[in-house]
Amino acid sequence: GAGVSQSPSNKVTEKGKDVELRCDPISGHTALYWYRQSLGQGLEFLIYFQGNSAPDKSGLPSDRFSAERTGGSVSTLTIQRTQQEDSAVYLCASSPASSSYNEQFFGPGTRLTVL
Amino acid sequence: GQQLNQSPQSMFIQEGEDVSMNCTSSSIFNTWLWYKQDPGEGPVLLIALYKAGELTSNGRLTAQFGITRKDSFLNISASIPSDVGIYFCAGLRQGAQKLVFGQGTRLTINP
Repeated sequence: GAGVSQSPSNKVTEKGKDVELRCDPISGHTALYWYRQSLGQGLEFLIYFQGNSAPDKSGLPSDRFSAERTGGSVSTLTIQRTQQEDSAVYLCASSPASSSYNEQFFGPGTRLTVL
Repeated sequence: GQQLNQSPQSMFIQEGEDVSMNCTSSSIFNTWLWYKQDPGEGPVLLIALYKAGELTSNGRLTAQFGITRKDSFLNISASIPSDVGIYFCAGLRQGAQKLVFGQGTRLTINP
């Protein structure tokens, strides 16, 4: 079946503009995660959605970052008033409800460049 | 946030050589996962480990869940050019819902 998809694959924006990044998880996966990966770095957890529960936003770096998940499927990560330090690859991952071991399947990422 | 200590950070080897990398933590983990990330792609799951002492193979890859539950290693035998990439370990603590990732090991292979 189809894997996790993300759009756009690349986004170049000017400092101060808002951006929206989209994630389509694997059908039927109830858990969805957003990560940020800076150049040459590991994965930094941002936010986690599980079913209808309140999202875990503990990883969001500032109040400029927000995310929502509509209908338990598609998720949008929004960055307001972008800064140059926001430049990174933003990865989305999903995990099936049946997985008690948290095996996450990743999308290809969105590369964000803030000029 | 909390990170696993993954080493080495980078490796430069000759094709055909074996590779070994590991992750350690001061915390106990119930699950260890190893991912590989190719340039421009998201990480792909290679091996999942669920029990202390477990040794699991996937082709030329072998990974072990440390007996103390605080570490894991990944070995690649007879490396080939397509093994190039960044390898990440990830761990899940009991009761946790979020994976903790290592910083990655960048593997470069000289033909």
